[in-house]
Amino acid sequence: DAGVIQSPRHEVTEMGQEVTLRCKPISGHDYLFWYRQTMMRGLELLIYFNNNVPIDDSGMPEDRFSAKMPNASFSTLKIQPSEPRDSAVYFCASSQQGGGSPLHFGNGTRLTVT
Amino acid sequence: AQSVTQLGSHVSVSEGALVLLRCNYSSSVPPYLFWYVQYPNQGLQLLLKYTSAATLVKGINGFEAEFKKSETSFHLTKPSAHMSDAAEYFCAVSVGGGYQKVTFGTGTKLQVIP
Repeated sequence: DAGVIQSPRHEVTEMGQEVTLRCKPISGHDYLFWYRQTMMRGLELLIYFNNNVPIDDSGMPEDRFSAKMPNASFSTLKIQPSEPRDSAVYFCASSQQGGGSPLHFGNGTRLTVT
Repeated sequence: AQSVTQLGSHVSVSEGALVLLRCNYSSSVPPYLFWYVQYPNQGLQLLLKYTSAATLVKGINGFEAEFKKSETSFHLTKPSAHMSDAAEYFCAVSVGGGYQKVTFGTGTKLQVIP
């Protein structure tokens, strides 16, 4: 399996622009997670899906952030409008059912908002 | 609620020396515990996991960790550090069956001195 695939790897945009991050989870995994990593806050869970349904979005910073999972093989995280404080590395991860199942992470998207 | 505490945000060891990275957890129910490693510009990768089968868990790259319930600890060790071990290491905890909320520690950066 190719693992979790994220695109783009790098994104540089200007404040106010819309940003869309993409994720393809590992086939057969029931859970998909979006994390944000910064030096100040570490690794933060933004939202997670189970069988394409959003389960917990309490980590989404504000209404500018939205996430969708239209099918089992694709998810997007959208920021509209973007702000400089959104600059971070955004990771997508997937896992199988079960509390002991480990997360499989993509290589992340490094977002820079100027 | 569950949590993990990693003692020491930075650890330096000499090549060939023992590696010891500390993790203490808090959980009201028996937890699942994980160690992940993150190399520069990459996502997190699973090193090892504890799922109650055995208290001493062996992982990849010569790492192992011991679950000590009485001390609520899950410290990561490796007998002899290699230059390629330089990375950031994260301890994580999750509880429950299908519920997949994983809580990560703040990470420990390991520096290996030649």
